[in-house]
Amino acid sequence: RKEVEQDPGPFNVPEGATVAFNCTYSNSASQSFFWYRQDCRKEPKLLMSVYSSGNEDGRFTAQLNRASQYISLLIRDSKLSDSATYLCVVTRGGADGLTFGKGTHLIIQP
Amino acid sequence: DAGVIQSPRHEVTEMGQEVTLRCKPISGHDYLFWYRQTMMRGLELLIYFNNNVPIDDSGMPEDRFSAKMPNASFSTLKIQPSEPRDSAVYFCASSSDLRTGPYSNQPQHFGDGTRLSIL
Repeated sequence: RKEVEQDPGPFNVPEGATVAFNCTYSNSASQSFFWYRQDCRKEPKLLMSVYSSGNEDGRFTAQLNRASQYISLLIRDSKLSDSATYLCVVTRGGADGLTFGKGTHLIIQP
Repeated sequence: DAGVIQSPRHEVTEMGQEVTLRCKPISGHDYLFWYRQTMMRGLELLIYFNNNVPIDDSGMPEDRFSAKMPNASFSTLKIQPSEPRDSAVYFCASSSDLRTGPYSNQPQHFGDGTRLSIL
């Protein structure tokens, strides 16, 4: 089983709709979780951290389910500019690099 | 405020040649990471340094790859000899101390990447 798994998509979603996607991780010792966004031919950029109690940043909501070992990202009122690849990122914490999922490709259509 | 600076942005070379990728991390960041991204394998961590010392190089594909960090402001990733399967985008990233507790939210800042094509 891969350490971090995501549905690659693409998710084709009309503008203004709500879209959600999940990411599963295999290592139960994982401690820190993030969503990164990567635009075509650009570098990944941190979108938001994921806290165990769930957290919201504007139109974006991230949730963590430790029992089932998955994290989710919900985007409300989607904009054309939300079109990108969303990378799920997991780390065991401490002196450790990040483990990236392969990303979910999101296309917001006008 | 300068971010992570990588050079070159693009590199096209013939197989067998030596390739050197360069990275300047954000000043004050004590962690530096090298990643490789391909369509097939996604983003893979190759090696990372803490305070210029290599901590984990288990992601380095083979002996043809080597990385150094001679000082806090410079790192290189070298491939010798290069092969077509090394073609990828290579990212360098830096961050401050990761050890900020279980909910560490110190982001890694990525450079623009080097697009490497080995013919």
